[in-house]
Amino acid sequence: NAGVTQTPKFQVLKTGQSMTLQCAQDMNHEYMSWYRQDPGMGLRLIHYSVGAGITDQGEVPNGYNVSRSTTEDFPLRLLSAAPSQTSVYFCASSGLLAELPYEQYFGPGTRLTVT
Amino acid sequence: DQQVKQNSPSLSVQEGRISILNCDYTNSMFDYFLWYKKYPAEGPTFLISISSIKDKNEDGRFTVFLNKSAKHLSLHIVPSQPGDSAVYFCAASEVSGNTPLVFGKGTRLSVIA
Repeated sequence: NAGVTQTPKFQVLKTGQSMTLQCAQDMNHEYMSWYRQDPGMGLRLIHYSVGAGITDQGEVPNGYNVSRSTTEDFPLRLLSAAPSQTSVYFCASSGLLAELPYEQYFGPGTRLTVT
Repeated sequence: DQQVKQNSPSLSVQEGRISILNCDYTNSMFDYFLWYKKYPAEGPTFLISISSIKDKNEDGRFTVFLNKSAKHLSLHIVPSQPGDSAVYFCAASEVSGNTPLVFGKGTRLSVIA
């Protein structure tokens, strides 16, 4: 059981480039989400999905796209990278939010630098 | 508007003493609360949770207290150990509304040997 995996671990992009951060989970979780962590800002939700084919915006969705074609995968796309997107990105998954006890499992993170 | 607030960015405690991390929330619809622990270069890991129908939940050295009327929760670690040094995030959710977790900004705990 690998849990939540994220690739790559590190990435450097130039302004304007696009890329996809990969996230996969093998726990058959319905709920998946993307967060970014910036110094002094905590974890801010970018996008989330409550199941295959269903996505919704979080607190800071601008500049990012997501899709959920399978239960296992939830990639995050940066359309045109900007220096403000320099951050550490975490993917998380869990059972449905309404089912307690509830616990979100996080991946190890992707550290992205945009120059 | 920050719905979950951790007003202390950092906390330093002697090994063996009690660590108390605080969290306040503004949304009265929140009914489930969690604490996560994060080491550098790793993802956050779940520590302990509490439902709004309880006022206390204990797991080993970790206890979470919930005061609904004050919209306040706290995490107590007794006794504190150097391995507890990490960033602790408080999170809240409106489970009945199936809404995502909202996280606080975190408190960095340093346990000094």
